[in-house]
Amino acid sequence: GQQVMQIPQYQHVQEGEDFTTYCNSSTTLSNIQWYKQRPGGHPVFLIQLVKSGEVKKQKRLTFQFGEAKKNSSLHITATQTTDVGTYFCAGRGTTDSWGKLQFGAGTQVVVTP
Amino acid sequence: DSGVTQTPKHLITATGQRVTLRCSPRSGDLSVYWYQQSLDQGLQFLIQYYNGEERAKGNILERFSAQQFPDLHSELNLSSLELGDSALYFCASSVVDSTGELFFGEGSRLTVL
Repeated sequence: GQQVMQIPQYQHVQEGEDFTTYCNSSTTLSNIQWYKQRPGGHPVFLIQLVKSGEVKKQKRLTFQFGEAKKNSSLHITATQTTDVGTYFCAGRGTTDSWGKLQFGAGTQVVVTP
Repeated sequence: DSGVTQTPKHLITATGQRVTLRCSPRSGDLSVYWYQQSLDQGLQFLIQYYNGEERAKGNILERFSAQQFPDLHSELNLSSLELGDSALYFCASSVVDSTGELFFGEGSRLTVL
């Protein structure tokens, strides 16, 4: 079945630095979503990508969907302490029953001032 | 506030027992999803309902069952509880089905002793 993998599992970043987290699927995805979960909180939707090669920006966050629609990345520039949390990607395979949104294991981001 | 309500917030019980977790989706949302979040295991998709009908099933154990009622609230029943069932159980809702963002509740933390 479809698997969604994220790397790295942990990311320690100095405030002000940039970093990227990656999401890879074993199968082609119809779309991919990104969520952020603050410590002790619940996942909150960030963005959805649908088209091959799509790039979307939200302030310091840049999201990309691969050309083959099997991978995605989230790049954060000038990291701030408010970026602390776990970032999840979630995707639906093109052959999956339409409810089955599979989440990656997440990248836990720790920011040091 | 996502608009999704989950009760109870915390639950402590013993092995072998049965518990029911309740979820009220956002007003107007027809789809309800259940996810299990254990330490270091990310968000595991359990099951999805749409307008009262089961639409997709993930790695849900046979000891677990769920349903969505005519008023669209959903319940997740966990029986013959084991220590390994201790986790955070999230309910999420969305307007329709396969393309919308998920709105997560704050979760029900289950501890099995």
